Amino acid sequence: QQQVKQSPQSLIVQKGGIPIINCAYENTAFDYFPWYQQFPGKGPALLIAIRPDVSEKKEGRFTISFNKSAKQFSLHIMDSQPGDSATYFCAATAEGYQKVTFGTGTKLQVIP
Amino acid sequence: DAGITQSPRHKVTETGTPVTLRCHQTENHRYMYWYRQDPGHGLRLIHYSYGVKDTDKGEVSDGYSVSRSKTEDFLLTLESATSSQTSVYFCAISVRQGTGELFFGEGSRLTVL
Repeated sequence: QQQVKQSPQSLIVQKGGIPIINCAYENTAFDYFPWYQQFPGKGPALLIAIRPDVSEKKEGRFTISFNKSAKQFSLHIMDSQPGDSATYFCAATAEGYQKVTFGTGTKLQVIP
Repeated sequence: DAGITQSPRHKVTETGTPVTLRCHQTENHRYMYWYRQDPGHGLRLIHYSYGVKDTDKGEVSDGYSVSRSKTEDFLLTLESATSSQTSVYFCAISVRQGTGELFFGEGSRLTVL
């Protein structure tokens, strides 16, 4: 199956909080998992990505955690700021497979 | 940085009329994609291209056709637009093959009345 399930659909956190967005997949052939950030009126932009041979990857305040056995991965945003308010998409693909499957998106609002 | 230009950025049309959306890239990236974005559905692949005149269907290709006569241009055509095709359409290019790392355009908002 090609589906990537993403939750929650929306999320509201206070400034400084740690929003967590979760994704799950079924296709064990997937071997690359990027996350995208989209601001209103703009196209999605690559945020961070991970391969299943590592359990965690950090870039600035953004961290991906990966659980290969559970086929789940999640995005954590440390010390969240109002400027992080956006829609976040997880995605998955496989080497040699040119299609990218996206989750349904999470709309995050960080309130001051 | 990869440059993508989508046109038109906004279009309102009537049911039954043909519509063509254009995606133009400034670099010679091989893979180009058309996605539609709808609330609750995320980004869904319509068609993609892996070279001039080489295209393939995505998960929601019914009612859409594409053409790529030049490396830099990827056209999405709605032969007879329907209200269910009201959406925001995004073009994307693959900047690093096999990684799922896509660079997206700014989107084309289409309203079919």
